[in-house]
Amino acid sequence: LAKTTQPISMDSYEGQEVNITCSHNNIATNDYITWYQQFPSQGPRFIIQGYKTKVTNEVASLFIPADRKSSTLSLPRVSLSDTAVYYCLVGEGGGFKTIFGAGTRLFVKA
Amino acid sequence: GAVVSQHPSWVICKSGTSVKIECRSLDFQATTMFWYRQFPKQSLMLMATSNEGSKATYEQGVEKDKFLINHASLTLSTLTVTSAHPEDSSFYICSAREEGNTEAFFGQGTRLTVV
Repeated sequence: LAKTTQPISMDSYEGQEVNITCSHNNIATNDYITWYQQFPSQGPRFIIQGYKTKVTNEVASLFIPADRKSSTLSLPRVSLSDTAVYYCLVGEGGGFKTIFGAGTRLFVKA
Repeated sequence: GAVVSQHPSWVICKSGTSVKIECRSLDFQATTMFWYRQFPKQSLMLMATSNEGSKATYEQGVEKDKFLINHASLTLSTLTVTSAHPEDSSFYICSAREEGNTEAFFGQGTRLTVV
């Protein structure tokens, strides 16, 4: 299973764009990249998933370079409610074990 | 997205008793379910993976006789913490995946406190 490395924490202000980068140097050909958000005392919530290039949904964008050894989660115009821990996961689609890394603790200030 | 329901949300039990936590996929068939444990300020730690109708596969260091997992149907998996002790107090979270789907959906978690 590919290991992921993320910054331990990040601070931002309301209205700013936040980019969280995850390194996954050992990503395999079949691996997808998935990001989850977790609030205290809640289960993780799916944010976005991608395989290559760029993926965008209503809450975030995911940028994946051609070598796929890293990925960047982009949260446009964050609000206080985006304060949470963000996890980057890498694994084979369709049946992989979801192994969590340490995650990035994002703190959004007013 | 798909919904995974976990019950109970929180439970307090006496040391030495057993506690059962349920994880249900409400609108899809979960061929694979995962159980995690999370201590305060830490990441989720995978405990075991279960496939419907098969014995669970436990991660290294997780006692299978203490944490009994049953995945008897495509919509229900249970985790039973047997002879619970205070050190078993933690946040337990399940997730479920449908065959062929690359996305895992998580339950809301169960806060277990053993006194």
